[in-house]
Amino acid sequence: DGGITQSPKYLFRKEGQNVTLSCEQNLNHDAMYWYRQDPGQGLRLIYYSQIVNDFQKGDIAEGYSVSREKKESFPLTVTSAQKNPTAFYLCASSIGEQGRGYTFGSGTRLTVV
Amino acid sequence: GDSVTQMEGPVTLSEEAFLTINCTYTATGYPSLFWYVQYPGEGLQLLLKATKADDKGSNKGFEATYRKETTSFHLEKGSVQVSDSAVYFCALRGGGSNYKLTFGKGTLLTVNP
Repeated sequence: DGGITQSPKYLFRKEGQNVTLSCEQNLNHDAMYWYRQDPGQGLRLIYYSQIVNDFQKGDIAEGYSVSREKKESFPLTVTSAQKNPTAFYLCASSIGEQGRGYTFGSGTRLTVV
Repeated sequence: GDSVTQMEGPVTLSEEAFLTINCTYTATGYPSLFWYVQYPGEGLQLLLKATKADDKGSNKGFEATYRKETTSFHLEKGSVQVSDSAVYFCALRGGGSNYKLTFGKGTLLTVNP
């Protein structure tokens, strides 16, 4: 079955270290997105990509970086410049067709200690 | 720009009670409208959608009708269960080739036995 996979489910890192979150999809979707969710909060868009080798900043891109070298993959790096990185991170994908929503991964919970 | 406003939570109900979660939107053109559900520690799942005015989306006993005249897409269920406890997000996708979804802030629903 097609889907979108985020790994790992839980991630612990020491303060000051960069960490990369994986997101892979086999849905042949063109667009991919990264969101951050804090407890009791809504979704905030970090980065998105509509085609390979191209991506745009979302609302809270500072301290994050992404790449889109393959259609299937959109990894997110949380850098040491991100002041408050502990959060739940969600990856999603979609196709450019009216009436179609996003497919979400199951999320990665990052804890920085 | 596009925006979604949904009722603030938390909402607490007893089992078998009637549920309404209000959602209104602002958008140009003819957006598609969605409700997503997020269970604790998981990603978002598409619950239902509607792509044109007067369409009714339905799934698992939940319903929502696309009302263009009132720019609303309220979520309803006649008899909630404990297993419906989750966060519910209203979202819209604008007309044209815009890939991005605009989300509301989410409403936490707790159903007590």
